[in-house]
Amino acid sequence: ELKVEQNPLFLSMQEGKNYTIYCNYSTTSDRLYWYRQDPGKSLESLFVLLSNGAVKQEGRLMASLDTKARLSTLHITAAVHDLSATYFCAVDRYNYGQNFVFGPGTRLSVLP
Amino acid sequence: GAVVSQHPSWVICKSGTSVKIECRSLDFQATTMFWYRQFPKQSLMLMATSNEGSKATYEQGVEKDKFLINHASLTLSTLTVTSAHPEDSSFYICSAGQGLVSEQYFGPGTRLTVT
Repeated sequence: ELKVEQNPLFLSMQEGKNYTIYCNYSTTSDRLYWYRQDPGKSLESLFVLLSNGAVKQEGRLMASLDTKARLSTLHITAAVHDLSATYFCAVDRYNYGQNFVFGPGTRLSVLP
Repeated sequence: GAVVSQHPSWVICKSGTSVKIECRSLDFQATTMFWYRQFPKQSLMLMATSNEGSKATYEQGVEKDKFLINHASLTLSTLTVTSAHPEDSSFYICSAGQGLVSEQYFGPGTRLTVT
């Protein structure tokens, strides 16, 4: 059974600082997704990582995937308050798209 | 980009009644849609996979007689919560993709409150 873990679950950081969120999963998969969720809202797609070594960047966020280590990271550079949200990673259970197992989420709070 | 809508966005119903939630892919066809449930401050849990023209596949522990799923067309899936109880109160989110090699597009969610 595929299990997905995130670390940390809660993160409070000051503006301007850097930090990394980790996503570990228990079985082989080459597909991993990162989403952002604001309170009361649905999911916003951030990154789609489809192969070992994939690295994608958008603004202050950068995501990477190491399928051999079964690890993905979401790195935050020079955090700003607008990044405050809950971040989820999701792993494709069967490696052919669409059937996801979500991590527990990391609740990020960026303080001024 | 691909858009998925849900209706209603929120609903309040009395215990014992049934509620239907619609999920539509607006600008693409989806042979498969997914239904998730999210309790407050928790993650998303996959409830079932909705397949166009065939029966839904339910995850372990999800009562298929309670959560009825119908995928009548390539753009519409419905989730009916039958005989709702307060513990069914949750945020229900659907998603759809454009094929096997595709990311999922999530609907805006439906907040169900059962009184």
